[in-house]
Amino acid sequence: EAGVAQSPRYKIIEKRQSVAFWCNPISGHATLYWYQQILGQGPKLLIQFQNNGVVDDSQLPKDRFSAERLKGVDSTLKIQPAKLEDSAVYLCASSSALQGYNEKLFFGSGTQLSVL
Amino acid sequence: GQQLNQSPQSMFIQEGEDVSMNCTSSSIFNTWLWYKQDPGEGPVLLIALYKAGELTSNGRLTAQFGITRKDSFLNISASIPSDVGIYFCAGRGINTGTASKLTFGTGTRLQVTL
Repeated sequence: EAGVAQSPRYKIIEKRQSVAFWCNPISGHATLYWYQQILGQGPKLLIQFQNNGVVDDSQLPKDRFSAERLKGVDSTLKIQPAKLEDSAVYLCASSSALQGYNEKLFFGSGTQLSVL
Repeated sequence: GQQLNQSPQSMFIQEGEDVSMNCTSSSIFNTWLWYKQDPGEGPVLLIALYKAGELTSNGRLTAQFGITRKDSFLNISASIPSDVGIYFCAGRGINTGTASKLTFGTGTRLQVTL
């Protein structure tokens, strides 16, 4: 079974530029997450989708970050304009279960973003 | 918000030694998960715990869901070089609008020497 696919693996941009990340979840997984992982820290949830609807975006900096999952499968996360503090690994995860105590998340390899 | 503290932050051990690490929360969780992250990769689920007091093994790994529901423990027996990586605990809370949201700990970096 194919895992969660993310691209690109690495991205280097200058501050104030824009950038987009792409995620393809495991086939059939209705729930998709974007996490931000700053060096030396654990992943922090940015946004959660259930099919093509947003379940939780309370920690998404909406002035510069946006995400969509138009057809309930692939998702893109965009940053515009980027700041130095956005340098991090952006992880996509998916799960098959609806919100529940036994939900298990499967992560992609992430996109490492460096903002100069 | 909920915070998870992991200890130790890092550890150097010799191959063959046993390893213990723990995770504590400021609030009660109803699920504890342990993940391992290799360099350049996403976290991979090792063990999931769903009941207070539960003890679950996965090969050389054993994890326990603390009785207070505010902590969890991970043990690795007879460590090998491929155990190197960062181990994260993650907890899922109860009785909140975002009950399914996972909160991750700060990680324990494990290095194994021959």
